[in-house]
Amino acid sequence: SAVISQKPSRDICQRGTSLTIQCQVDSQVTMMFWYRQQPGQSLTLIATANQGSEATYESGFVIDKFPISRPNLTFSTLTVSNMSPEDSSIYLCSARGGSPLGQYFGPGTRLTVT
Amino acid sequence: SQQGEEDPQALSIQEGENATMNCSYKTSINNLQWYRQNSGRGLVHLILIRSNEREKHSGRLRVTLDTSKKSSSLLITASRAADTASYFCATDAGGSNYKLTFGKGTLLTVNP
Repeated sequence: SAVISQKPSRDICQRGTSLTIQCQVDSQVTMMFWYRQQPGQSLTLIATANQGSEATYESGFVIDKFPISRPNLTFSTLTVSNMSPEDSSIYLCSARGGSPLGQYFGPGTRLTVT
Repeated sequence: SQQGEEDPQALSIQEGENATMNCSYKTSINNLQWYRQNSGRGLVHLILIRSNEREKHSGRLRVTLDTSKKSSSLLITASRAADTASYFCATDAGGSNYKLTFGKGTLLTVNP
């Protein structure tokens, strides 16, 4: 299965600032996704990161708040903009493609906004 | 919106016992996957079962799928303290859309 890494693993940020999270996959994958997990909750899909075009956002998430890049088939970034304490969550990157079948996740980025 | 609902929300057992977690979903699916998450870390992929499969095994894990009831179960046999984690089911609708919809998860505690 694809090995996915994320940077940073955790960060503490001040409100009003922005943080960019990087996701690297060790092989080319067809699809990459970004999820958010709020404290004590399950995962919610933020967007599908499309290679070479704008990301596809889910209801309740907008590009101005969560700009996403995917310049190639192995790398994506998620920026959390103008952060507030409500953005404190774990942000997870996932990828699908290749063998074995399934969708695999990175270790997550734990973000705390003060 | 949440597609899947796991039950129980929390399960506490003794080492060596079996643990069964259930997942229900609302709409037609292509695949259903089970994941484990240790203490707020990343998700570990456990097993994928396709909509045309009824049962799959992987080591101490056994997953069943009943599409007529829109439900799945995850059985962990001979549990160990290291199995303590949250377990999530996730479904996708397939086609060109592989985005996952997650259930709320079951917190499993295995006591030594």
